[in-house]
Amino acid sequence: GAGVSQSPSNKVTEKGKDVELRCDPISGHTALYWYRQSLGQGLEFLIYFQGNSAPDKSGLPSDRFSAERTGGSVSTLTIQRTQQEDSAVYLCASSLGDGASYEQYFGPGTRLTVT
Amino acid sequence: GQNIDQPTEMTATEGAIVQINCTYQTSGFNGLFWYQQHAGEAPTFLSYNVLDGLEEKGRFSSFLSRSKGYSYLLLKELQMKDSASYLCAVRPMFSGGYNKLIFGAGTRLAVHP
Repeated sequence: GAGVSQSPSNKVTEKGKDVELRCDPISGHTALYWYRQSLGQGLEFLIYFQGNSAPDKSGLPSDRFSAERTGGSVSTLTIQRTQQEDSAVYLCASSLGDGASYEQYFGPGTRLTVT
Repeated sequence: GQNIDQPTEMTATEGAIVQINCTYQTSGFNGLFWYQQHAGEAPTFLSYNVLDGLEEKGRFSSFLSRSKGYSYLLLKELQMKDSASYLCAVRPMFSGGYNKLIFGAGTRLAVHP
């Protein structure tokens, strides 16, 4: 079946502009996660959605970052007034639920470059 | 705080065995995952450990010692396609279904002929 998809695959933007990154999780997966991976770094947790519960935004690095998940499916991560330090690969993952052993399935990521 | 350590790089020979170590210090523990990530691709799930001991899955095995805060991933009969980064991730707590993972920086493994 279809995996997690993300768009765009690459995004180059000028400093100060806003960007929107999209994630389509696997159908039926109720949990959705956003991570950021900078060059040579591990995955940094950003935000987590589970069903209709309030999202956990504890990993968002600043108030320029926001995310929403509409209809419990597609999610959009928005970065306002982008800065060069926002350059990274943004990965989305989904899992079947919040069960203890449920693995997270990752999308291919969006490579964001802020010039 | 949360801290996960793993070696930055390792090299090994095709056909050999390699062990990638991971140590963690987290606020609570509710499971450890290993993921494989080829350059430019998404991480893919390899293994999950929540109890002490060894989990074997084909050429790959993963070990966990909760008392030592330690895990390793063992890769046998190495193939060139095993050249990738290996990510260790810990779920520090599982409260109300919260499935957040803390990732290490990853170990880049290079397999050479």
